[in-house]
Amino acid sequence: AIRMTQSPASFSASIGDKVSITCRASQGISSYLAWYQQKPGKAPELLIYAASTLQRGVPSRFSGSGSGTDFTLTISCLQSEDFATYYCQQYYSQPTFGPGTKVDIK
Amino acid sequence: EVKLEESGGGLVQPGGSLRLSCAASGFSFSGYWMSWVRQAPGKGLEWVAHIKYDGSEEDYVDSVKGRFSISRDNANNSLSLQMNSLRFEDTAVYYCVKKSGRLQNQPDDSWGQGTLVTVSS
Repeated sequence: AIRMTQSPASFSASIGDKVSITCRASQGISSYLAWYQQKPGKAPELLIYAASTLQRGVPSRFSGSGSGTDFTLTISCLQSEDFATYYCQQYYSQPTFGPGTKVDIK
Repeated sequence: EVKLEESGGGLVQPGGSLRLSCAASGFSFSGYWMSWVRQAPGKGLEWVAHIKYDGSEEDYVDSVKGRFSISRDNANNSLSLQMNSLRFEDTAVYYCVKKSGRLQNQPDDSWGQGTLVTVSS
């Protein structure tokens, strides 16, 4: 199975900050990479798929980049509703998720 | 609006069985791959199984192979997960998930609210 890693595991940020989360696959997955946001007690929501395509309805402050093994999720101007845990997922083969990155308020 | 509603979770003893169901509405159910994804308390997400739109293909994470079985009833827009020989480590919230298209290699674009399965003696 393809292993996914994320960094950092958690961090604190302020409203208005630009933040980035990195995801790495144990082997090349082309652009078969999605990002999900999960808030406490809620189901995950799809933010980005195909590494850089924004899901309908997701604010444009979210963006994704990368291909092959290295990917990045960037939030250009952090809002209060963005404090959550973010997961990357590869769907190149049998799906696997990264361990998650928790973003909380500084 | 896509709606996925899970049911069937609960408390079960190790070695026991449980059947989860998912009622789907708001989309053409028979046209999409469907999955189960679980999340142990305080932990991350783990894909469990998926099934092709016509039920002809399915796959499982290694840890549940031979114990869990995914199935679907396209006539009634429902997805199921039969879980046998349950273990402590199967304790999790189980989500019913819709893939975004007719291909296997698609992201998960809609999630139910989940149903909790607790394996405990």
